[in-house]
Amino acid sequence: QVQLVQSGGEVKKPGASVKVSCKAAGYTFFSYGITWVRQAPGQGLEWMGWISTHNGITNNAKKFQERVSMTTDTSTTTVYMELRSLRSDDTAVYYCARDRGNLGNFDYWGQGTLVTVSS
Amino acid sequence: DIQMTQSPSSLSASVGDRVTITCRTSHNINSYLNWYQQKPGKAPKLLIYAASTLQSGVPSRFSGSGSGADFTLTISSLQPEDFATYYCQQSYSTPRTFGQGTKVEFK
Repeated sequence: QVQLVQSGGEVKKPGASVKVSCKAAGYTFFSYGITWVRQAPGQGLEWMGWISTHNGITNNAKKFQERVSMTTDTSTTTVYMELRSLRSDDTAVYYCARDRGNLGNFDYWGQGTLVTVSS
Repeated sequence: DIQMTQSPSSLSASVGDRVTITCRTSHNINSYLNWYQQKPGKAPKLLIYAASTLQSGVPSRFSGSGSGADFTLTISSLQPEDFATYYCQQSYSTPRTFGQGTKVEFK
């Protein structure tokens, strides 16, 4: 069955970086991109960006463009999202989700990774 | 960016009620509209895509309608497991944007 398994929670200080992993299994990895969505405590969903697992092309939200990197490791079917220069308002649960391409929706999600930014 | 406005922000309902949630977009997005359900502490779950297509495995009491800039999610007969927060999301353009959510609570 399709599974996206994310790395565990992280606690970081302001100014640091965090790298969250998302391991995909149960489907043809190259057939779907991966989208990252975050959710601050008690808040709604915020799209961060997308990466093609086929060729590594990314499309990131302007808000994060300077601070985010998304990469893939095809040998392990794992996608990574790195967020730099962390601030307290980056405290959130970060989700990866399988992106259905032209349909633009997200049919399978990881379990979420809580990133806490605190001094 | 396409702005998404859901209403209401929250509602109280009873088991068996018919529930309707609306989503309005700032631009015409044809039928590029998706609905998700999220329960506390869990990842969102895709319910409806392309405005009215039921995702595999989703109960038929959920339905979606609309096109252009006005969309509706309807739960025909609310069940106990349906108490959750619902989000709309547009897939017409990037950045993908979500509505602010509608929390369905027990009356």
